[in-house]
Amino acid sequence: GAVVSQHPSWVICKSGTSVKIECRSLDFQATTMFWYRQFPKQSLMLMATSNEGSKATYEQGVEKDKFLINHASLTLSTLTVTSAHPEDSSFYICSASPPMGSNSGELFFGEGSRLTVL
Amino acid sequence: GQNIDQPTEMTATEGAIVQINCTYQTSGFNGLFWYQQHAGEAPTFLSYNVLDGLEEKGRFSSFLSRSKGYSYLLLKELQMKDSASYLCAVRTGGFKTIFGAGTRLFVKA
Repeated sequence: GAVVSQHPSWVICKSGTSVKIECRSLDFQATTMFWYRQFPKQSLMLMATSNEGSKATYEQGVEKDKFLINHASLTLSTLTVTSAHPEDSSFYICSASPPMGSNSGELFFGEGSRLTVL
Repeated sequence: GQNIDQPTEMTATEGAIVQINCTYQTSGFNGLFWYQQHAGEAPTFLSYNVLDGLEEKGRFSSFLSRSKGYSYLLLKELQMKDSASYLCAVRTGGFKTIFGAGTRLFVKA
């Protein structure tokens, strides 16, 4: 199957600092990637759709100025949590799907990044 | 609105069969997925249904009824390692994938 890699796996930062999370598709080109957030014992909540070469599409209630998404190439999308606060502590997961026609279109997930803001 | 419902928790015995149900109401439908997620890890793909009926893959089977907005995941010959959360997900008309809250399955000896 397709491989999506995410880095870092764990990050601890002080309140008010910014954190960047990278998501790479290793063996396919991804024009679209998806960023999810998951709080303990809760579902994956879609935050935004990252589009290569254009602006990300954010879900309702997600602050685009706080969660900056850049999709500068067909294999890399980054999520930057700006001015992080303790309530931003969560499990952030990126995902992508190889081009339609090659499979059922299931999502392949990165390993996830656990952010803890002190 | 978008809504995907599945039971919060289930418990079953090793070697048994368990069925996890999922009902959904979404804006458009382009397929239903089941994922397995172990604590602290990313989800992994289990099955995909886009047409009505049963899809079988080894110990796992998934059923879909589009008219009823209903799916189930059937796990046979349960093993201890099957203890995990099982996520029902729907790809909507806009080709976003939204997830249910997940069903935590506990397999006991």
